[in-house]
Amino acid sequence: DVKVTQSSRYLVKRTGEKVFLECVQDMDHENMFWYRQDPGLGLRLIYFSYDVKMKEKGDIPEGYSVSREKKERFSLILESASTNQTSMYLCASTSGGSGNTIYFGEGSWLTVV
Amino acid sequence: DQQVKQNSPSLSVQEGRISILNCDYTNSMFDYFLWYKKYPAEGPTFLISISSIKDKNEDGRFTVFLNKSAKHLSLHIVPSQPGDSAVYFCAARGSNTNAGKSTFGDGTTLTVKP
Repeated sequence: DVKVTQSSRYLVKRTGEKVFLECVQDMDHENMFWYRQDPGLGLRLIYFSYDVKMKEKGDIPEGYSVSREKKERFSLILESASTNQTSMYLCASTSGGSGNTIYFGEGSWLTVV
Repeated sequence: DQQVKQNSPSLSVQEGRISILNCDYTNSMFDYFLWYKKYPAEGPTFLISISSIKDKNEDGRFTVFLNKSAKHLSLHIVPSQPGDSAVYFCAARGSNTNAGKSTFGDGTTLTVKP
């Protein structure tokens, strides 16, 4: 089975702190994604990566950056956390091409105080 | 402009009855549709999908219906079980779009009462 692991399940950070959310997948997938899920807003794509060291903005990239130094690892970075970034963050991966499904991690709950 | 809409935020049904979850889309370029199920504190998991060349796809208790002319799809769960209680997300994409770039609805929270 595909496994997508998000290392931090629950975090509480202060406004202005730098936050790293780490994600690792074990199925050699080319594509990795970061979403946030907010009540009534569904899943919104923040950033994605099609290959190592490649990244593209999703629908809501403002306030975030990403890093993909290794194929299996995709990190989401909040350079200066703000309270409106309190949310659930989901990492996911897919194999190349289309006609495939998304494999999600279990989510990271971030609270910014 | 939200391209995928799930107009019912919540649905409550009795165990054993049918659950019908609805989803509407506006982008005519969408031709592949999926439903994901999400339990609290877990990531979504794939449930069932349908291509625009079909109007129905069935997998056990779960059936997805697609009405292309109305740009509407629905998920039927028969019979509903308490373990089906979860948030259900509808997702849509074009055939050449990677799954990860699907457009998601807001989700419908299904509660199945024993």
